Amino acid sequence: DSGVTQTPKHLITATGQRVTLRCSPRSGDLSVYWYQQSLDQGLQFLIQYYNGEERAKGNILERFSAQQFPDLHSELNLSSLELGDSALYFCASSWQPTSQGAEAFFGQGTRLTVV
Amino acid sequence: TQLLEQSPQFLSIQEGENLTVYCNSSSVFSSLQWYRQEPGEGPVLLVTVVTGGEVKKLKRLTFQFGDARKDSSLHITAAQPGDTGLYLCAGRSNDYKLSFGAGTTVTVRA
Repeated sequence: DSGVTQTPKHLITATGQRVTLRCSPRSGDLSVYWYQQSLDQGLQFLIQYYNGEERAKGNILERFSAQQFPDLHSELNLSSLELGDSALYFCASSWQPTSQGAEAFFGQGTRLTVV
Repeated sequence: TQLLEQSPQFLSIQEGENLTVYCNSSSVFSSLQWYRQEPGEGPVLLVTVVTGGEVKKLKRLTFQFGDARKDSSLHITAAQPGDTGLYLCAGRSNDYKLSFGAGTTVTVRA
């Protein structure tokens, strides 16, 4: 158990809908990362927050947004869903966003299926 | 385009054999991490290397960080079926991003 909790574990929804994925980081971790993993794209970095503020942005679509709340949990909102958004979405946390040795611990992921 | 290129993409070997997975980039990283991921699970951290030229050993696994901090390798000695999984390298850059390679799927046959 990494200490990172993601809910829900599975989500099935229709195209055009909006969903919210939730992540609770490890106790004491201030930084949260969101990743998308699909079979053909590998693990793609979406966005990172540190102590409530956005710190880095990757290949995140405009239809997607995220935020980190004062209690440090984070939510990833996916809207106008398309079939191609079906993937595993992972959240990871680390205690700091800086470089050396800041290890990221991953949750078990949310499997999103868009039908 | 992946910032980190991993090779090979797939590797299937017999129990007891050795294997090496490579992770290469044109970018310099402040640190590099190796993860193993099993189906349906999140990646689990194996090791972090920080200093150029650093070598770390974890039982039968040996990790090396290139002198220029652009590449790394993972060597497994006497592989066992329990080593089967997707091995991912991830580089941390100074802009706070942790970027992953596409991974190497390792299958160790009993």
